[in-house]
Parts: sequence; structure tokens; C-alpha cells
Amino acid sequence: AQSVTQLDSHVSVSEGTPVLLRCNYSSSYSPSLFWYVQHPNKGLQLLLKYTSAATLVKGINGFEAEFKKSETSFHLTKPSAHMSDAAEYFCVVSRKTSGSARQLTFGPGTQLTVLP
Amino acid sequence: DGGITQSPKYLFRKEGQNVTLSCEQNLNHDAMYWYRQDPGQGLRLIYYSQIVNDFQKGDIAEGYSVSREKKESFPLTVTSAQKNPTAFYLCASSAPPYGYTFGSGTRLTVV
Repeated sequence: AQSVTQLDSHVSVSEGTPVLLRCNYSSSYSPSLFWYVQHPNKGLQLLLKYTSAATLVKGINGFEAEFKKSETSFHLTKPSAHMSDAAEYFCVVSRKTSGSARQLTFGPGTQLTVLP
Repeated sequence: DGGITQSPKYLFRKEGQNVTLSCEQNLNHDAMYWYRQDPGQGLRLIYYSQIVNDFQKGDIAEGYSVSREKKESFPLTVTSAQKNPTAFYLCASSAPPYGYTFGSGTRLTVV
């Protein structure tokens, strides 16, 4: 079984300050981990993914995440928040089913607010 | 451009009606998925399909049905047996390695 915990349901930061969105996971296997962003009433956009290569993963829009196996964490960071970063962020772990399908287990999400 | 098209964007259903949500992809992906999103709960898997004419139940399949007659299409029917169907529904497809693409969603409201 696998699960994802996002430690904060809401995070507020001021524009230009750093962003930290926390994620912890549990998985029976070596996981593939993702961060997705969702703007209101939109689909999900992939920010970045970890698939057992480098532990520090760089994504789009200046986001990055570090995989720490010892802490079972995959926190998302950005050095300087922009107003357009305001959205909901999901930490996701992937597990393989039979065949080519891979089921995603989503965390509950963190709503990021960026204050002017 | 390749992608996933979900329609309609908004859908209203009366109590006791079945409704069908459309999902079409032109990415040539084998696997397709339906997720349901409720506030504060992330996304939960309803059904998935790996190939034509095959599909598997996800974590919350009760009250839903799907078909996969064509590779490009994976429609979801929300039946009257689904007790709380009001939600945002997302369709996705994937191809190895780990590439997932999501549609823009359908918001279903029971009136």
C-alpha cells in the first residue's frame, strides 16, 4: 500500500519570498514521485517528477524538489514566489499495476496563496 | 496538438438520472484513467483501462461504469446508484515511462 501526506492544507507567502510545500510518502516499493499544480477549474499540470535518478529534481517555473529516502519526504520549493504561483499543489506517488498502467495516489493538496 | 479533451466542461444532472462524461485522447496512449476530485481530498481513482475492451476498478468504482471500445475514447457513466455524484471529474492517459496527461475536467452538479 502507499499513501501521501501533505503536511499543510494552506500556505501563504508574500511575493518574492521562498515557498516550501511539504510532502511525506509511504510506499512498499521504490517510488516514483510527482508534484502537480492545479489552477481553479483546470486540469493538472506536471511540475516535476522523481524516478530514481538524481535526488534533486528541477521542474518548470523555477520549482524544485528533493527526494530524501531516509525521511520519506519529497518537499517542493521555489526561491521566490510569484503571484501566478497561487494554486493548489498535489504531491503524488505512482505505483505500477499490471501491464502499462500506473496508478497515482494523490495527497490531499496544499493551497498556496501569494500575497502582494 | 496532442492532448485530452473532456466534455462537457459543466454538467447538471437531476436526481435518478444517468449521465455520461466524454474523454477523448489523440496521444496514442494505451492507458486511460478516470479520477474524481472532492475538496480537501485530492484525486481518487474510479476506473482505469490499459487496452481496448479491458478496464479495471479503482478505489471508488461503485456507482460508475466505463467502456473502452476505441483506444482514443474512455467515457464514464455516472449512474443513479452513485449517491454523491457532485464532484470534479478528471480523465487522464499515460504511456511509459510514467508520462501522465490530464484533461481539463468536467464539473458535475446534481440539481
